[in-house]
Amino acid sequence: DGGITQSPKYLFRKEGQNVTLSCEQNLNHDAMYWYRQDPGQGLRLIYYSQIVNDFQKGDIAEGYSVSREKKESFPLTVTSAQKNPTAFYLCASSTDPGTASEQYFGPGTRLTVT
Amino acid sequence: QKEVEQDPGPLSVPEGAIVSLNCTYSNSAFQYFMWYRQYSRKGPELLMYTYSSGNKEDGRFTAQVDKSSKYISLFIRDSQPSDSATYLCAMSPRIQGAQKLVFGQGTRLTINP
Repeated sequence: DGGITQSPKYLFRKEGQNVTLSCEQNLNHDAMYWYRQDPGQGLRLIYYSQIVNDFQKGDIAEGYSVSREKKESFPLTVTSAQKNPTAFYLCASSTDPGTASEQYFGPGTRLTVT
Repeated sequence: QKEVEQDPGPLSVPEGAIVSLNCTYSNSAFQYFMWYRQYSRKGPELLMYTYSSGNKEDGRFTAQVDKSSKYISLFIRDSQPSDSATYLCAMSPRIQGAQKLVFGQGTRLTINP
């Protein structure tokens, strides 16, 4: 089965701790993306990567970091500098970063920080 | 003003009704338009994808783009309870490099049996 997996589904952390969210895809897609979804605000882009070892900031990158060491993996670290980290985090991928191809989403990770 | 505006609803209709979901946008550079369906606590799934103005039909779903009015619509015919979900519009300009989608807030739709 081809697709995007995110783990864990639910994650709980104490304030001040860094936490890493996993995203893996076996679709052989070049581009990968991280979004954050808050109630009533739609999806907002955190980081995206067009190719291995390269990534760019999205609209709300502050307090987050990413790496792209392998084509199939794009982990997101939520650092203690992120002021309001509790949210639903979605990873996506698309076939061709050079054109407007469709993005396919994973099932998401719901992060709660207390 | 947000680049993409979408009425968050909620919208509740009886089974079998025709549903109309809409988004307006302000960026005239947007060329690619998508509709995603998101069930509760799940990731969005791509429903429809259109380029520039016009209509596109896929089964019970029709996507319509009116670039002159900066307005897009998704119509659902013969709506079913399984269509109950949040519907997100998304769009992007013609650009080189990674596609940066701009999403609407999403409209929560309930189809009542």
